[in-house]
Amino acid sequence: KQEVTQIPAALSVPEGENLVLNCSFTDSAIYNLQWFRQDPGKGLTSLLLIQSSQREQTSGRLNASLDKSSGRSTLYIAASQPGDSATYLCAVRLIRSSNTGKLIFGQGTTLQVKP
Amino acid sequence: DTAVSQTPKYLVTQMGNDKSIKCEQNLGHDTMYWYKQDSKKFLKIMFSYNNKELIINETVPNRFSPKSPDKAHLNLHINSLELGDSAVYFCASSQDGYETQYFGPGTRLLVL
Repeated sequence: KQEVTQIPAALSVPEGENLVLNCSFTDSAIYNLQWFRQDPGKGLTSLLLIQSSQREQTSGRLNASLDKSSGRSTLYIAASQPGDSATYLCAVRLIRSSNTGKLIFGQGTTLQVKP
Repeated sequence: DTAVSQTPKYLVTQMGNDKSIKCEQNLGHDTMYWYKQDSKKFLKIMFSYNNKELIINETVPNRFSPKSPDKAHLNLHINSLELGDSAVYFCASSQDGYETQYFGPGTRLLVL
């Protein structure tokens, strides 16, 4: 059974700091991994999607890496801003259920960036 | 234009009642989903439909019945609501099972 774990559960940093959010998964037979952002009271917004054949993806100040063999992904946020404050969720799509779209989510890391 | 919309946004009801949540997407996607986010923020898939056909049913109680009148709509009907059904329900859609999923704003259900 695939389990997805995110550490830490919560993180508070001063504005401008670079930070890393961690995601680990137990089953390495993944099709892809996706990072989402959830603002309080809102839905999820997709940030980055990494295919299993890729090592990393970048979008602006965000960089996501994937190491299938160790079952880990990291989301690196450069020069954090108060507007980055949100809950960040990682989700994996397994190869055996890839055509169904089933995502298995971690419980998220709640980030607070203080001005 | 809202890509994935849900109604209502908030739903407060008594135990034992029957309620429905509606979802519509205007992205032209073939696949739609329902997810449940519990009080600990854990998000878990409930159902997936592709072109009005049920693809995933994640051991959800029979009290929950999804209905897809067309591929742009996926509604969720809940019978005999229980306290444990209180959660945020998210609808999502994607072009197919492999592609990025786009989420609606959620429906916050509180069962009293």
